[in-house]
Amino acid sequence: DADVTQTPRNRITKTGKRIMLECSQTKGHDRMYWYRQDPGLGLRLIYYSFDVKDINKGEISDGYSVSRQAQAKFSLSLESAIPNQTALYFCATSDLRSEKRELFFGEGSRLTVL
Amino acid sequence: SQQGEEDPQALSIQEGENATMNCSYKTSINNLQWYRQNSGRGLVHLILIRSNEREKHSGRLRVTLDTSKKSSSLLITASRAADTASYFCATMTQGGSEKLVFGKGTKLTVNP
Repeated sequence: DADVTQTPRNRITKTGKRIMLECSQTKGHDRMYWYRQDPGLGLRLIYYSFDVKDINKGEISDGYSVSRQAQAKFSLSLESAIPNQTALYFCATSDLRSEKRELFFGEGSRLTVL
Repeated sequence: SQQGEEDPQALSIQEGENATMNCSYKTSINNLQWYRQNSGRGLVHLILIRSNEREKHSGRLRVTLDTSKKSSSLLITASRAADTASYFCATMTQGGSEKLVFGKGTKLTVNP
C-alpha cells in the first residue's frame, strides 16, 4: 500500500461545484502539503500544515481551503470550482525529525473543471 | 513566485550519454533538493545538498552547488532509457518556514 494516498485519483466536475480532495498518510509524518502542478509551471504550494493545529497559506491559496482532521489526514477543498483550477494536485508529507526534510508525494489527483 | 529555474526546459540524449541539468535560484537557501517525476506520477526525492556543501554523489547522480552564483547542477552519468522523466530542483530558503519551492522542471528524454 502507498504511504501517501490521494483520493480521488481523477475527477471531472462542473464550474461552481464544491470539490474535496483527500490525502491520508501512514508515514507518521507531522508535516503535510498540497501542491498544484500545471504544464510548464512546475509545482506551486497551495497550503501546508506542520501539525494538526497549524495551517498555513502557500503562494496560491485563493479559492482553496484545507482541513487537517488528524495527523494522518489533510484535505483540500475547492468551494466553488472554476475552469482555471483544472490541474494535477499533489499531497506530500515530510518528517520534522529528519535532517533531510525531503518530501514524500502521493500519486496525484487529476481534476478537470468544465 | 517560484524560486528555482531549471535549464534547459527539455533535453534529449542517447542512451549512455551524460545528462546535465541546471537550476538557478534567487534567495539564500538552507538546502536544495532534486526530484524526479515520471509522466503524470508523484515526485520522488533524488538527492539533497546543503548550503555548506559543494558536491554530492549518489550512484550515477552528481549534484553541485555554487551559492555564490545561486546555482546547482544535476549530472546523470551513463544515462538509460529508464531515466526518461522530468527533473525538478526545489529550494528551502534560509530563515523561512521550511517549505520547499519548486522550479518548472527539465524534461529529459533518453533515446535507446
